[in-house]
Parts: sequence; structure tokens; C-alpha cells
Amino acid sequence: DSGVTQTPKHLITATGQRVTLRCSPRSGDLSVYWYQQSLDQGLQFLIQYYNGEERAKGNILERFSAQQFPDLHSELNLSSLELGDSALYFCASSVVNNSPLHFGNGTRLTVT
Amino acid sequence: SQKIEQNSEALNIQEGKTATLTCNYTNYSPAYLQWYRQDPGRGPVFLLLIRENEKEKRKERLKVTFDTTLKQSLFHITASQPADSATYLCALGYGRDDKIIFGKGTRLHILP
Repeated sequence: DSGVTQTPKHLITATGQRVTLRCSPRSGDLSVYWYQQSLDQGLQFLIQYYNGEERAKGNILERFSAQQFPDLHSELNLSSLELGDSALYFCASSVVNNSPLHFGNGTRLTVT
Repeated sequence: SQKIEQNSEALNIQEGKTATLTCNYTNYSPAYLQWYRQDPGRGPVFLLLIRENEKEKRKERLKVTFDTTLKQSLFHITASQPADSATYLCALGYGRDDKIIFGKGTRLHILP
């Protein structure tokens, strides 16, 4: 058990809708990372937060946004969903930079 | 453009032999490199981290090398077992904002 909790495990929704994915990092970890994994693209870095502040941005679409709250949990908001957004979304946490990532088991999003 | 390349073909190794996986990168100057294991439907699990000033790291049956001149890391599993069958991902940490970028992974099958 990595100590990182992601909810929900599965999400099925229709195109055009908006969803929120939630992540509770491992106790003591200040950094949260979000990744998208699809079969053909591998793990794509979306965004990173450190202690409530956005630290790095990857290939995150404008339709997607995220935040990290004072209690360090994080949410990833996906809006105007398209079929191509169907993927596994992983959250990972780490104590500080340059340290290993601890991943949750992901949220599987299916857009129909 | 920046690339991380792992062998996209699955690797089949006989039980008891050494499995060697390769990670090559271009146009990055990583501060460190990490290896993760991922099982189907699960989040990646951290295995080893090696920094730019280190040549080799070991942990039990695992060994990682890091050659910043060749821009390559090799990941070895000695005395391989069927339970080692999984997808192995390499990840680079780079930049002032410490982005962590993953390769697409190599599927390893250890044959009994």
C-alpha cells in the first residue's frame, strides 16, 4: 500500500460533462503530481503542486485544472470531456523534490 | 525534440537469467533517473533512483547504471523469477521545477 488514495476508482460519464478526481497524498508528503495514462501514450505528466502552490506544468489541456488544498489533498477537474479523455489518471506524492514518487492506484475514466 | 525511449517490444527472459532493460534519452539533462515497476491496473511502484553523479546503484537483485555521456540507463534484474514479470518504466527528473517525465515502459516476461 503506497499510502496515496485516489477516488473514485472508476468513473463513467458522457461527452461534454465535467468530473472531479480526488487525491489524498501519503502522510507527510508535500508534493502532488498528476499523470494521465493511455495505452498508446504511456504516462503523461499533467501538473505538479508543492505545499499548495503550482510548481510545474506538463501537457495539461486548458479544459483541465487542478489545485492542492491546505490539507494537501488535491483535485483534478476535467471539463467539456471528449472521448479521447478516456484514460487512467494517476496521482503521485513525494516528500520533497528529487525523491521517489508514491502512486495511487488511479481513477479509470471512461467517456461515452 | 526531447525523448525518452524504452524498448517497446516485450522482453522474454528465461527464469534464472539476467534481464536487462534499456532507457535512452535525448535533449534532456536529468538530475536523476528513476525506475518503476507497474502491474496491470495498478499504479507504478518505485524501485531505484540514481543521481547524475552516480554510475551504479544496487538493491538486492536489482542494479541500475546511469551513463550521462551515452544518455542511457540500464536496469538489470539478476536471477529473474516469474514474479518479476511486469512493465518497467524509467523516469527522468529535470529542470528547476523538477518535472518527472516517464518513458512508455518495457513489458518483461520471465518464462518458467
